[in-house]
Amino acid sequence: DTGVSQDPRHKITKRGQNVTFRCDPISEHNRLYWYRQTLGQGPEFLTYFQNEAQLEKSRLLSDRFSAERPKGSFSTLEIQRTEQGDSAMYLCASSDGTGNTEAFFGQGTRLTVV
Amino acid sequence: AQSVTQLGSHVSVSEGALVLLRCNYSSSVPPYLFWYVQYPNQGLQLLLKYTSAATLVKGINGFEAEFKKSETSFHLTKPSAHMSDAAEYFCAVSRSNDYKLSFGAGTTVTVRA
Repeated sequence: DTGVSQDPRHKITKRGQNVTFRCDPISEHNRLYWYRQTLGQGPEFLTYFQNEAQLEKSRLLSDRFSAERPKGSFSTLEIQRTEQGDSAMYLCASSDGTGNTEAFFGQGTRLTVV
Repeated sequence: AQSVTQLGSHVSVSEGALVLLRCNYSSSVPPYLFWYVQYPNQGLQLLLKYTSAATLVKGINGFEAEFKKSETSFHLTKPSAHMSDAAEYFCAVSRSNDYKLSFGAGTTVTVRA
């Protein structure tokens, strides 16, 4: 297993367009997390899944954002009607849910809205 | 609610010198505390974590951190800096061991030859 994989690594989009990011967690991990990191700041929690169930969503996740994990494996994060303020690094992480091992982060998707 | 404050957004040290990164937390419950490192254009890598066992926690790459409840601190240290330690470091807190984390703003470390 090569770790948490995110695609694409970079995305440039025009304001108002929709974008979708994909995260493939480590295969045996049942928990998956999404974070957003803006320049010069630490990551901010957005949402997380236990298998296919979305257990918690941050207030940062406006109605334009939606995340899914349909079969409890990969996850997608969609942003509709993108705004310049959405420009950030979107990080995905996964863990086995027991707390006995660490959460592994992917390399992130950098979104630039122009 | 849980939060962390990292004192100093930039730290510059000489190679071979002590690295000290400061982190103070606030938590309504006994916290789980973490230090992560991030290299440019990379994800985050866990250096170490505190989960209410030993107060002195040893991590990877020679780093360690001490949990001090009386000071609500979890400072990260390394006795001797190496050039490869140049990176951004984040302190994080969670109310449980579930990796729903609240991160500090980060401290960028530069190492001078």
